[in-house]
Amino acid sequence: NAGVTQTPKFQVLKTGQSMTLQCAQDMNHNSMYWYRQDPGMGLRLIYYSASEGTTDKGEVPNGYNVSRLNKREFSLRLESAAPSQTSVYFCASSEGEGGPTGELFFGEGSRLTVL
Amino acid sequence: GDSVTQMEGPVTLSEEAFLTINCTYTATGYPSLFWYVQYPGEGLQLLLKATKADDKGSNKGFEATYRKETTSFHLEKGSVQVSDSAVYFCALEAWQAGTALIFGKGTTLSVSS
Repeated sequence: NAGVTQTPKFQVLKTGQSMTLQCAQDMNHNSMYWYRQDPGMGLRLIYYSASEGTTDKGEVPNGYNVSRLNKREFSLRLESAAPSQTSVYFCASSEGEGGPTGELFFGEGSRLTVL
Repeated sequence: GDSVTQMEGPVTLSEEAFLTINCTYTATGYPSLFWYVQYPGEGLQLLLKATKADDKGSNKGFEATYRKETTSFHLEKGSVQVSDSAVYFCALEAWQAGTALIFGKGTTLSVSS
């Protein structure tokens, strides 16, 4: 039972490089999310997708783009990485509207370092 | 906007000690409230939740009661174990972001034997 799978788990980039974080869930969930976790800041929502075909900005969307490729997959792209984007990124999913409130299922995280 | 404030850590306890981690919130309306736990090297997982005032969520010996009067949702456990060492996050449902959650900054708990 895989749940939420993120790749890659670790990545080092140079300033200005681009990359995409991949996320897939096998629970047939409607909603998916990208959070970043920074020391002393907790988790902050970057983007979310309430349902297939929709995406919306969260608290800290600048410098990121997302794609909800299908119901299973939700990718996060950094077009021109900056040192301020050094963080641990978590993808999560939930049943969404009509489902159990608040039950987000998280991946194991992707640790990104931008030099 | 909606927000969650939880006590600063780290919290260091001996095994079998009593645990309280304070959490207060600011929100429009009466959102559902949650505690999530993150063990080292892992993602977050739901520990317990409460969906309305005076509800008590409980799981694995942990409890938290939704207090509307004090806008609080403090996490308690009567006797902690070394295996409880983790980061604990208080969260509320963000009505303005689908069913996303707004998290507090997290409190690190370290339990020694």
